[in-house]
Amino acid sequence: EDQVTQSPEALRLQEGESSSLNCSYTVSGLRGLFWYRQDPGKGPEFLFTLYSAGEEKEKERLKATLTKKESFLHITAPKPEDSATYLCAVQHNDYKLSFGAGTTVTVRA
Amino acid sequence: KAGVTQTPRYLIKTRGQQVTLSCSPISGHRSVSWYQQTPGQGLQFLFEYFSETQRNKGNFPGRFSGRQFSNSRSEMNVSTLELGDSALYLCASQQSSGNTIYFGEGSWLTVV
Repeated sequence: EDQVTQSPEALRLQEGESSSLNCSYTVSGLRGLFWYRQDPGKGPEFLFTLYSAGEEKEKERLKATLTKKESFLHITAPKPEDSATYLCAVQHNDYKLSFGAGTTVTVRA
Repeated sequence: KAGVTQTPRYLIKTRGQQVTLSCSPISGHRSVSWYQQTPGQGLQFLFEYFSETQRNKGNFPGRFSGRQFSNSRSEMNVSTLELGDSALYLCASQQSSGNTIYFGEGSWLTVV
């Protein structure tokens, strides 16, 4: 069965304390893996798209990587404004998009 | 470039009523998909349309339906509303398969 699992569920960090979020997936066919950031009461904001194992993308303090079984979102020297829920999603060959439950990150000053 | 626009942003309906939500995709995007987000179930896929054709649908009852018009704008309809339909309904658009999927801000539906 196709599945997307994110860990941990919640992450509390001190400002400047780097960490990583995990997204593991089992899908029969992958068109792309997406990372989003969602703030309370808002729609998901696009961060990255990854298409093939070995691919990496960076944006400010965030870096996403992809292997055949999982993706990581690395947060380097986070700031309080990085506090949000980070969602991972995979698009299947049949165009369906499956989301993980998300990781809620809280960064304390 | 305008983003994905959803209307209305907030609405309150009574059990048994029906509701129609609207989504205008990013200009040039031909794929529109819909999702339901609740605290307990997270983001769940409802259906996806491309060039007015439904290509896939999630595991939701037939009360949930949608359509896409020739200008790529989309609507979703929920009939015979139940309390459990209270959720944030999100629309997303994609230019073509594999490209970035962008989301709107969502429509908050409360069923009382």
